[in-house]
Parts: sequence; C-alpha cells; structure tokens
Amino acid sequence: QLHLQESGPGLVKPAETLSLRCTVSGVSVTNGNFYWAWIRQSPGKGLEWIGNVYYSGSTYYNPSLKGRVTMSVDRSGNLFSLQIVAVSAPDTAIYYCARVPRGNSFFDQWGQGTQVTVS
Amino acid sequence: DIQMTQSPSTLSASVGDRVTITCRASQRIDTWLAWYQQKPGKAPNLLIYKASNLLIGVPSRFSGSRSGTEYTLTISGLQPDDFATYYCQQYFTYWTFGQGTRVEI
Repeated sequence: QLHLQESGPGLVKPAETLSLRCTVSGVSVTNGNFYWAWIRQSPGKGLEWIGNVYYSGSTYYNPSLKGRVTMSVDRSGNLFSLQIVAVSAPDTAIYYCARVPRGNSFFDQWGQGTQVTVS
Repeated sequence: DIQMTQSPSTLSASVGDRVTITCRASQRIDTWLAWYQQKPGKAPNLLIYKASNLLIGVPSRFSGSRSGTEYTLTISGLQPDDFATYYCQQYFTYWTFGQGTRVEI
C-alpha cells in the first residue's frame, strides 16, 4: 500500500529556508516509472505546482518560484525533499507531496499535507 | 503559462441532481487534463485523467468530456459523498490547476 508522509517545521521565519521531507512507503523512490512532486495550497493562490524530481536527480520547477526551489531524492531513506529559500508570507500554505506516473503527468497519490506558516 | 478557468466557483445542488463543472484552457492542452475531488482537511483525490478516463474504483456516475479547449466534469445522480470541491488540472505544459468548484447542498 503506497503511503506518502510530509514532515518538517510548521513555522518558518521570513527570509529563512523552508525544508520539507516526504517519506514514501510501499514503493521505492528509485522506481523509474514515477516522478515525485510537491504541490502547495493556500487561500490566495489555490493549488500551485512547485516542482517534480526524478530518482536520477533531474528536476522541473515552477518558473514562478524564480529559482528559490531545490528538490532532491534520498535513496537510502526512500524519501524526497523540498527546499524554498528566502520565504515570505505568500509562501504560507499547506504543502503536499505526490506521485506522478511517468508518461501520465497527473498526481495519482498524495500525502495528507502539512501546514507551513511563514511568520 | 496555461491558465485554467473553472466555473462555476460554487454550485448548489441536491442528491440525485446531474451537475456539470467546466474548465476552459487558455490554449490547447490536447486532453492532457485531470479532475480531482477534495474534501475539507484532506488532500485532493484523482478522479479522471486524460480528460475522460475514469480512475479504477471511481464510480461511473463521474464522467469527463472535451469540446475544443473546454473540458467538462459531469456527475450524474449526485450522492451525499459527492459534496466536495472539484479541481481541474492541465499537464500539457507544466502543471496548473483551476480555481475549484465547491459543490454544496
């Protein structure tokens, strides 16, 4: 049974770095049939795709985040990570991790989400 | 950026009703569209992909269709469990979501 679980600080100070992890169980993050994604949701912006990462390390980021995003895969921990630098109030959101079947770029499995507040 | 314009933002309906939610893409997306259902406090849940393909396990009262750059989610015979917020999402170029449609009693 696939399960994704987000973890990380719920409160981040302005101008600091937001760091989240998504621990995956039920499938290996090195399974080449999937990408791994981060999406966030806020009352102001709705659902916003942040980026995708492949086990090889290749990444796709939302251009609107202007180079502030880094994603990576940790094979030994079977998890993937998100960092957003220089955060500000608009980065306050619920952050979800999700799975993306390769060749079909919808999000077929999601974590439960974690609230991150910038204040 | 491809913009997804979803309407209506809120829809009031009763059990048994047929409801239709529309998503218009700002440019061609060639059926690379998904529909999700989200309930309060939960993550979105995939219902339909490639505009009209029902995910295994999703009730057949849900259906999706396309006309040009307009995509439609139809629920035929609304059930109590269907009162939720629905989102479209394109995956033709990057990934963008519609603003959501809240289906309320």
